[in-house]
Amino acid sequence: DVKVTQSSRYLVKRTGEKVFLECVQDMDHENMFWYRQDPGLGLRLIYFSYDVKMKEKGDIPEGYSVSREKKERFSLILESASTNQTSMYLCASSLGQSSYNEQFFGPGTRLTVL
Amino acid sequence: GEDVEQSLFLSVREGDSSVINCTYTDSSSTYLYWYKQEPGAGLQLLTYIFSNMDMKQDQRLTVLLNKKDKHLSLRIADTQTGDSAIYFCAESSPGGGATNKLIFGTGTLLAVQP
Repeated sequence: DVKVTQSSRYLVKRTGEKVFLECVQDMDHENMFWYRQDPGLGLRLIYFSYDVKMKEKGDIPEGYSVSREKKERFSLILESASTNQTSMYLCASSLGQSSYNEQFFGPGTRLTVL
Repeated sequence: GEDVEQSLFLSVREGDSSVINCTYTDSSSTYLYWYKQEPGAGLQLLTYIFSNMDMKQDQRLTVLLNKKDKHLSLRIADTQTGDSAIYFCAESSPGGGATNKLIFGTGTLLAVQP
C-alpha cells in the first residue's frame, strides 16, 4: 500500500526557531513536493525535488529551504520561523517523468509559530 | 496566468446531487484530476480524466470536461454526509512534463446537510 508519512501531525514553535519537517515515502518515487495549505488559497508549492540532491523552487520558496539526501526522504526547513509561516504543510510524491502524474499525499503537519 | 479557479463553498442536502465546478488554464494538460481532503487529513485522488475524453463515470461520480471552455466539473450523485470534505481540481503544470508538477485549485468545501 502506497504510503507517505510526515514526522509530526502538530507542531508548535517560537518565532526565530529553526524548524525541520520530515517526509518519507515508501514507493520509490522520484518526485517529492512540499506545499502549504491556507484557507481560501488552496495548495501552494514551496519546493519540489525530482531526484536525490536535486531541488527546484516552487511558487513561494521565500523563508524555506529543503534537503533530499536520500530518495525516500524530503525535508523542509524553516531557517527562522515567523508567525506568517503558521500553516498546514503537506508533503507529496509521484513517479518520474510521465504524462500521468498522480501525487500521493501525507497526512499533513499543522505548524503554529508563536 | 496559472490560476485554477473553484468556488469556495457548496452546501447540499443528503440524497441530492452535488456539482463542483473548476476552470483551468492550460489546454495542453494531458490529465485533469479531482482530489478529496477529509477533515484533518491529506489529499487523496478521487478520480481523473484524460484530456481526449468528454466524460468519465465511476459509480456515483461523473466528471465532465469541456476543453473549449477549459471547464471541469465533478458531479456526486446521492450525496452522503461522508462526502463532506474539501474537493480540489488539479491540472498538469504548463509544459511541466519533465517536472510533473500539478497546479491545484483553491478547493471547494462541500457541506452535506442531513
